[in-house]
Amino acid sequence: GAVVSQHPSWVICKSGTSVKIECRSLDFQATTMFWYRQFPKQSLMLMATSNEGSKATYEQGVEKDKFLINHASLTLSTLTVTSAHPEDSSFYICSAREPRDTGGYTFGSGTRLTVV
Amino acid sequence: SQKIEQNSEALNIQEGKTATLTCNYTNYSPAYLQWYRQDPGRGPVFLLLIRENEKEKRKERLKVTFDTTLKQSLFHITASQPADSATYLCALQAGSYQLTFGKGTKLSVIP
Repeated sequence: GAVVSQHPSWVICKSGTSVKIECRSLDFQATTMFWYRQFPKQSLMLMATSNEGSKATYEQGVEKDKFLINHASLTLSTLTVTSAHPEDSSFYICSAREPRDTGGYTFGSGTRLTVV
Repeated sequence: SQKIEQNSEALNIQEGKTATLTCNYTNYSPAYLQWYRQDPGRGPVFLLLIRENEKEKRKERLKVTFDTTLKQSLFHITASQPADSATYLCALQAGSYQLTFGKGTKLSVIP
């Protein structure tokens, strides 16, 4: 089946630094990718929709200057958490629509970000 | 405001029995309802999608029902196995690409 590869799987960074998370669609092209954040025992919350070749669409309450999204090719979207703070510590997951006509979405394996 | 509720945070069931998970929603008119499985520290995995004009969908040991009058979906796993232990997420899609997820139900299948 369709695979979305997400790296790194975990990262620890110091407050004030930036962290980049990559999301690649393998063997299929994804003009649109989605970035979610999930806190423990909470639902996945959509942060932004990443569109290849154009600006990302951010959900209400998500700071676009803090969470920079770049979707420069049909197989790669990146999320950069800038000037990270401990409250940004969370599980970040990307997804893309499955290329098969199932209507479902395929998700990356997630990135556990810890800001110390 | 829109709300999605999965009735139990956790559900324990004996191996071989049928597990039934519930997803209720309010202030929402989804065109599609999807179910995902999520293992600890992993991203969700797509299981099934059911459309608003469909009552039931099956895939192997999985069955999903969708009642738009009751605003409820039921997710069944028959002949449950310990390997079915995971968190199951309900997600609604109104028409655009965006999914809205419930908090999930953690299913434990006891041998």
